[in-house]
Amino acid sequence: GAGVSQSPRYKVAKRGQDVALRCDPISGHVSLFWYQQALGQGPEFLTYFQNEAQLDKSGLPSDRFFAERPEGSVSTLKIQRTQQEDSAVYLCASSTEQGFSGNTIYFGEGSWLTVV
Amino acid sequence: SQELEQSPQSLIVQEGKNLTINCTSSKTLYGLYWYKQKYGEGLIFLMMLQKGGEEKSHEKITAKLDEKKQQSSLHITASQPSHAGIYLCGADRTGNQFYFGTGTSLTVIP
Repeated sequence: GAGVSQSPRYKVAKRGQDVALRCDPISGHVSLFWYQQALGQGPEFLTYFQNEAQLDKSGLPSDRFFAERPEGSVSTLKIQRTQQEDSAVYLCASSTEQGFSGNTIYFGEGSWLTVV
Repeated sequence: SQELEQSPQSLIVQEGKNLTINCTSSKTLYGLYWYKQKYGEGLIFLMMLQKGGEEKSHEKITAKLDEKKQQSSLHITASQPSHAGIYLCGADRTGNQFYFGTGTSLTVIP
């Protein structure tokens, strides 16, 4: 596709359930970012990949959160044993640049996770 | 992170009115970005400001970065319903992290 694609768009999970969120970046984009956006808040950085290498995971809130990008394209954010505080929109972004360059980054529409 | 504080948190204006959104940083800004987010959608890049005193405009939206580079304002002239959404400022930080502001929700009443 032409843009960053995320799936599922909406996910309702029971507390304790594992979830996997997929991000399909723009073809050829080197950098991939995951952000978490709680209701009424700005996006918070989670993790950054340059190709298949996860260069920064300092924003992952706990060891229940895990992200991978094994072939340097599609990325998956996995949340184990979901808790209610995990309810948020998870945004994926990609860029041709290395690192974050605010005017050349493209965001997906997000995956809305609700934990009940 | 609360390094970037936006005000107001929400704004409701009548169509045709002007409005201003502020973004204040606790640190010197080296690159300040403005984005717009429609409900349920991704972020759309609006403008980037890098130099103190810089001002940029796009259609009816003007953004400024103050001389001391710790505050930016976004001004919308003659607001329209299409301007409704969440406005986010963002700033570069060392490393690969990028911080967003707390967001301002704008509603424009026809």
